Amino acid sequence: GAGVSQSPRYKVAKRGQDVALRCDPISGHVSLFWYQQALGQGPEFLTYFQNEAQLDKSGLPSDRFFAERPEGSVSTLKIQRTQQEDSAVYLCASSLGLSHNEQFFGPGTRLTVL
Amino acid sequence: AQSVTQLGSHVSVSEGALVLLRCNYSSSVPPYLFWYVQYPNQGLQLLLKYTTGATLVKGINGFEAEFKKSETSFHLTKPSAHMSDAAEYFCAVRDSGNTPLVFGKGTRLSVIA
Repeated sequence: GAGVSQSPRYKVAKRGQDVALRCDPISGHVSLFWYQQALGQGPEFLTYFQNEAQLDKSGLPSDRFFAERPEGSVSTLKIQRTQQEDSAVYLCASSLGLSHNEQFFGPGTRLTVL
Repeated sequence: AQSVTQLGSHVSVSEGALVLLRCNYSSSVPPYLFWYVQYPNQGLQLLLKYTTGATLVKGINGFEAEFKKSETSFHLTKPSAHMSDAAEYFCAVRDSGNTPLVFGKGTRLSVIA
């Protein structure tokens, strides 16, 4: 594909439900980042992968949030027992992995928790 | 810790007028600086970036930004606004190395005909 894709684009969940958000990075991109963008705010870092290794998960807001990238390509962000404060747009970005490289962003998944 | 401040959550300009979006950063090391644009229901698109070298950086769609270390600023400008420039603009910073971006809160640009 030409760019980073994310699915679903929109997700509505009832409070307490588990959700899984998928990110397909650009082919060959080593690094993958997840960001959370609350309404009216800038994106905030959640977690970062280099290939299949999760190198930084310091931005995950609670232990209800879990991310994986088992084969070093597709990544899934899972949120357990969703709460209303989890409502946000979840952005995925990928890069070639070198220091000067641009991060390419997907269109995001808008999660609404009722 | 790094941080980014964007002055003005909303800027409104007339079509054809100068666009100036302000960004100040704090970083303990020489930063990499970025401006991204976000159209409704779309992801972020890179406008321009500063890593090293020339402090005046030119980007897409006629935008440019100047890195001023003494002022810790990286303001975004465009000489003449176009209706299609209406969007949300984010300034971001990160350390050298493949590290996460730290974003400002964004500035919404409106262009009036």
